[in-house]
Amino acid sequence: EAAVTQSPRSKVAVTGGKVTLSCHQTNNHDYMYWYRQDTGHGLRLIHYSYVADSTEKGDIPDGYKASRPSQENFSLILELASLSQTAVYFCASSDATGGSYEQYFGPGTRLTVL
Amino acid sequence: QQKVQQSPESLSVPEGGMASLNCTSSDRNFQYFWWYRQHSGEGPKALMSIFSDGDKKEGRFTAHLNKASLHVSLHIRDSQPSDSALYFCAASEGNYAQGLTFGLGTRVSVFP
Repeated sequence: EAAVTQSPRSKVAVTGGKVTLSCHQTNNHDYMYWYRQDTGHGLRLIHYSYVADSTEKGDIPDGYKASRPSQENFSLILELASLSQTAVYFCASSDATGGSYEQYFGPGTRLTVL
Repeated sequence: QQKVQQSPESLSVPEGGMASLNCTSSDRNFQYFWWYRQHSGEGPKALMSIFSDGDKKEGRFTAHLNKASLHVSLHIRDSQPSDSALYFCAASEGNYAQGLTFGLGTRVSVFP
């Protein structure tokens, strides 16, 4: 089964500080994603990537940057963390196996911005 | 406006009973649908995808898609306590992997 790991699992950050969330997958998947989950908003797509060294904006990219230095690693960067970015962040990966493009999610990172 | 809408918000089902969840898209570009399940403290996990009109069955789970009305349903037969979770409907414009749009979820509770 697909394995996606995230670090850290939880983090407390100060307003205005820089935060980096990391994601690692070991399944040779081409596609990777970052979502955030808030109560009342479900999951929303922040950034995604088709291939290393390239990222795409999702539905809510403002205030976030993404980096895909290799096929296995995908980072989400908050240059100036704000209170509104308190949420649980999920990374996912997928490929075309079976034609379904099923996304495999990591366990999430709970970010609290104070 | 939420592009993928789910109902009900929550559902209580007796063990062994049937749970029925609904999902409607307001965006005609969405043609591909998935159901994901999320247990407390975990990431979502895919249950099944459905891309064609009609029914698709996988074990105790049956999904139904009506592309004309952009309505998708999920039926869980013989519900078990382990089925207690948050269920998401998700959609995309194409089946290549550009990311999913999720609904707000339906919380299912299975009681003995």
